[in-house]
This record gives sequence, C-alpha cells and structure tokens, in this order.
Amino acid sequence: DGGITQSPKYLFRKEGQNVTLSCEQNLNHDAMYWYRQDPGQGLRLIYYSQIVNDFQKGDIAEGYSVSREKKESFPLTVTSAQKNPTAFYLCASSPTGTGGAGGYTFGSGTRLTVV
Amino acid sequence: GQNIDQPTEMTATEGAIVQINCTYQTSGFNGLFWYQQHAGEAPTFLSYNVLDGLEEKGRFSSFLSRSKGYSYLLLKELQMKDSASYLCAVRDSGGKLIFGQGTELSVKP
Repeated sequence: DGGITQSPKYLFRKEGQNVTLSCEQNLNHDAMYWYRQDPGQGLRLIYYSQIVNDFQKGDIAEGYSVSREKKESFPLTVTSAQKNPTAFYLCASSPTGTGGAGGYTFGSGTRLTVV
Repeated sequence: GQNIDQPTEMTATEGAIVQINCTYQTSGFNGLFWYQQHAGEAPTFLSYNVLDGLEEKGRFSSFLSRSKGYSYLLLKELQMKDSASYLCAVRDSGGKLIFGQGTELSVKP
C-alpha cells in the first residue's frame, strides 16, 4: 500500500545537537512539506519542495534545513540554531497542481524533545 | 497577509449537533479543507470545498462562501469519539495548505 513514513516516532535531542527527521513516501507525489505543531496550535510550515533538487522556505524556516535529492525522500534537520525545537513534526506529500480534491497525505509524525 | 481564524475550543453533548466556523483571508484560493486530528496523531481528511455551497458526507457536512471568506464544519449525532481537534486549511495559489490554529472539540455524555 502507498503511504508516507516518518521516523523515528519519538526523538530526544541534547542541547547543541543537530538531529535529522526522516520522511519517505511511495505515492509518487511531487510535492512534500514539513510542518511544526506546538501544543494547542495549528500547523506551521517550515519548508516545502515541489520538485526534486528544489525547495522553499516556509513561515518558520530559521534553525532548520532540508534536502530533496530523491522524489521519495525529504529529510528535515533541526540544527542547534533552533532555540525551541521541542514540538510535534509532521511531514506531508501531495500531487502537483493547485486543483482537485487531492489534499495532503500526512505521515504519523515525530515528537522531538530537547533534554 | 494570510489569516485563518477558528474558535479555540468548543464543548457539545453526545447526540447533539455542533458547527465549527472558519473565516479566512489568503493570497489566492484553491479550495478549503477540514481535517480531524486526535491528540498525538496525524490529521485525517474530512472534507473539501472549492465551490460555494454545502458538501455532505455522512454525519459531517461542510459549507463554503467564497465571497464572505467563510466556511463551517457541521457534525451531527455527536459521538464521544468525535472529541478531537478540527483544523481548517486553505490551499493557496501555490498549492500549499495554510492551517488555522484548530478547534478543540470536547463531547460530553
């Protein structure tokens, strides 16, 4: 079955460390997205990519980096420059284009905690 | 700027009907989505509106007025399992989804 896989489900980071969150999809979707969710809040866009080898900053890109070397993969690195990284991170993918009822397919999320 | 507003929380009784409102101001509009999210889980798709009017899907209905920048999600015959956060999202001209802060719905017996 096609889907989108995030790993790990839980991640603990020490102060000053970089960590990378994995996101893989086998839906043949061109576009992929990373969102951050804080308790009681909606989803805020970190980075997105609409095609391989290209990506754009979202609303809260500072302290994060991404790569899109393969269509299936869109890893997110939370760098030491991100001062408040504890949050729930969601990866999503979608077909290209701006029309139709095709919204996002979400991964199951990664909960990152700084210890 | 881009802004999507929904109430922070609502409470309703099992078996009743509840309406969750969403107003939006975005750069470009290519559809409005409603998602359900249980705590600690990924959002799941509920409904999609791109033309004005009501879309019905079982116990859930969603309404859109593009001229007013307004949508609502209507939940009928509420069940305890409907306790969750409900996210309103607008797809902008670039195809990205912009989310509201979510409405936490508590269903009480």
